[in-house]
Amino acid sequence: GDQVEQSPSALSLHEGTGSALRCNFTTTMRAVQWFQQNSRGSLINLFYLASGTKENGRLKSTFNSKESYSTLHIRDAQLEDSGTYFCAARNNNNAPRFGAGTKLSVKP
Amino acid sequence: DPKIIQKPKYLVAVTGSEKILICEQYLGHNAMYWYRQSAKKPLEFMFSYSYQKLMDNQTASSRFQPQSSKKNHLDLQITALKPDDSATYFCASSQTGTDNQAPLFGEGTRLSVL
Repeated sequence: GDQVEQSPSALSLHEGTGSALRCNFTTTMRAVQWFQQNSRGSLINLFYLASGTKENGRLKSTFNSKESYSTLHIRDAQLEDSGTYFCAARNNNNAPRFGAGTKLSVKP
Repeated sequence: DPKIIQKPKYLVAVTGSEKILICEQYLGHNAMYWYRQSAKKPLEFMFSYSYQKLMDNQTASSRFQPQSSKKNHLDLQITALKPDDSATYFCASSQTGTDNQAPLFGEGTRLSVL
């Protein structure tokens, strides 16, 4: 079955607001990675976490391996934040598996 | 300069033909991967190689064959192409297959099968 469940599937934000995206894992994962796929289709690496929290500008990500989830918080959303956000997680020696993505639309 | 090079960027093929998607990385990584993204499915893991050996294969069809002629190459040969094979194919690499470093992705090859 699916190992990485991502929610919500779509999200609309007004500029300057914020929200959280979430990934739940059906099995224990040892690391999670968050990407933004932009309008050109490029996968931009945002965060890679084996545990804890990382922050970069208006983005913050947390990975809780014990409770099998990860979150990506976006604050003060900007138009260029629009795109599809994916989480990918890996367990043991397996290659990363992706969630289905959250399509984010930031509107003026 | 891109560190993971995928060629070609766009590819159009006819049903039944064979194509090779090229991936080269200049990061000194030992693990390489292939993923597929289509309109019908999210990013889907296909293969992983570590030190030029197959580690994991989630692709059911034998029409998809990775080829690793050099440590920094992992090409993808697709035979007997079908319209359903139309997708963007992403190559990625990481230091090893078992480390905690973030895999990096190439820009993808957009394949259309007519």
